[in-house]
Amino acid sequence: DTGVSQDPRHKITKRGQNVTFRCDPISEHNRLYWYRQTLGQGPEFLTYFQNEAQLEKSRLLSDRFSAERPKGSFSTLEIQRTEQGDSAMYLCASSLNAAVGEKLFFGSGTQLSVL
Amino acid sequence: AQRVTQPEKLLSVFKGAPVELKCNYSYSGSPELFWYVQYSRQRLQLLLRHISRESIKGFTADLNKGETSFHLKKPFAQEEDSAMYYCAISNTGNQFYFGTGTSLTVIP
Repeated sequence: DTGVSQDPRHKITKRGQNVTFRCDPISEHNRLYWYRQTLGQGPEFLTYFQNEAQLEKSRLLSDRFSAERPKGSFSTLEIQRTEQGDSAMYLCASSLNAAVGEKLFFGSGTQLSVL
Repeated sequence: AQRVTQPEKLLSVFKGAPVELKCNYSYSGSPELFWYVQYSRQRLQLLLRHISRESIKGFTADLNKGETSFHLKKPFAQEEDSAMYYCAISNTGNQFYFGTGTSLTVIP
């Protein structure tokens, strides 16, 4: 499968623990996005990268969240001191470039449960 | 601020009946409009986009700038159309905003 892959598929953690998710985009894709989705809601934008540069972070994203894409390939999303409200599906998506109308390719997501 | 509104959370139609999923947006510039679909146990994927003026799986969507709408339509619904549908807009920086989704059920 040469699509966007995310690891792990599921993560259960206790409140206060740190968690890290990984996303591997389609290899030639320059853009990488992180979204969060809770039950009954659409994907909510968190942040995105153009190659290794993080271009924007959502104002809704607290300082406990950090994302990196060190070599412009895979990306990690870390949540420090997790809270129960962080429980959600975390989606990664990539696109070939930043052209208007460029389509997103999504991964299967990481389902986070904070106990 | 950018916003996408999908007023129907749930929509049920009979097989062979026409279907319309509503989407309204607010955006200060000229966004691009998309419909994404998620079938059961599959990942979210693009259905169609306004820029391509395409028809995919019998679905079409017309951009009405006056009403700021991008409704998705299909003249004859099929059982395999049952899925979750998300309307989305993107700005010139290609940042995407999604609606809350409409769950479509096609009744045999």
